[in-house]
Amino acid sequence: AQSVTQLGSHVSVSEGALVLLRCNYSSSVPPYLFWYVQYPNQGLQLLLKYTSAATLVKGINGFEAEFKKSETSFHLTKPSAHMSDAAEYFCAVSAPTGTASKLTFGTGTRLQVTL
Amino acid sequence: GAGVSQTPSNKVTEKGKYVELRCDPISGHTALYWYRQSLGQGPEFLIYFQGTGAADDSGLPNDRFFAVRPEGSVSTLKIQRTERGDSAVYLCASSYDPTGANVLTFGAGSRLTVL
Repeated sequence: AQSVTQLGSHVSVSEGALVLLRCNYSSSVPPYLFWYVQYPNQGLQLLLKYTSAATLVKGINGFEAEFKKSETSFHLTKPSAHMSDAAEYFCAVSAPTGTASKLTFGTGTRLQVTL
Repeated sequence: GAGVSQTPSNKVTEKGKYVELRCDPISGHTALYWYRQSLGQGPEFLIYFQGTGAADDSGLPNDRFFAVRPEGSVSTLKIQRTERGDSAVYLCASSYDPTGANVLTFGAGSRLTVL
């Protein structure tokens, strides 16, 4: 079974500051890992995914995440926050065998960006 | 269509009533998923279809919940004898193939409120 833990239900950063959203996973097999973003009244949108290739994954809107097996982490970062980044972010995990697209989500982190 | 379409976007019903939620996936996507997102939580898996058949319904909470996909395209999630605890946003997603790390495309969701 897989699970993810997102540390911090709310994160606030200033515009232009570094964004760091934390995700730790638990999996009995090498996992696939994802970050999704959810804007108000919109569907979840994929930011990036890790599928056992390069450990540093680059996504849309300047976001990236690094898979660290030793730390069982997949933290999401962005060097400089924009106001438009304010949203809810979800980390998710799936197993690479069987129904690999069946995702288990974390509880989410709401990102606030202030002037 | 261009994306995953869900109707209705909002549904208010009374306890004990029957509810149907519809999902129209992206044309050509063979896999279809239903998730439930309660307030302050991440999406939780309910059921997944590959074609017309339910390949995994392990997330359905009880026998009041049922879903169908008779022609392998549109799916309907059916909830009988609704309870206040069923209030949530019901998300539908589709993907081209359930194997590998194919990206799920989510709809905007159907918000169900049970009074």
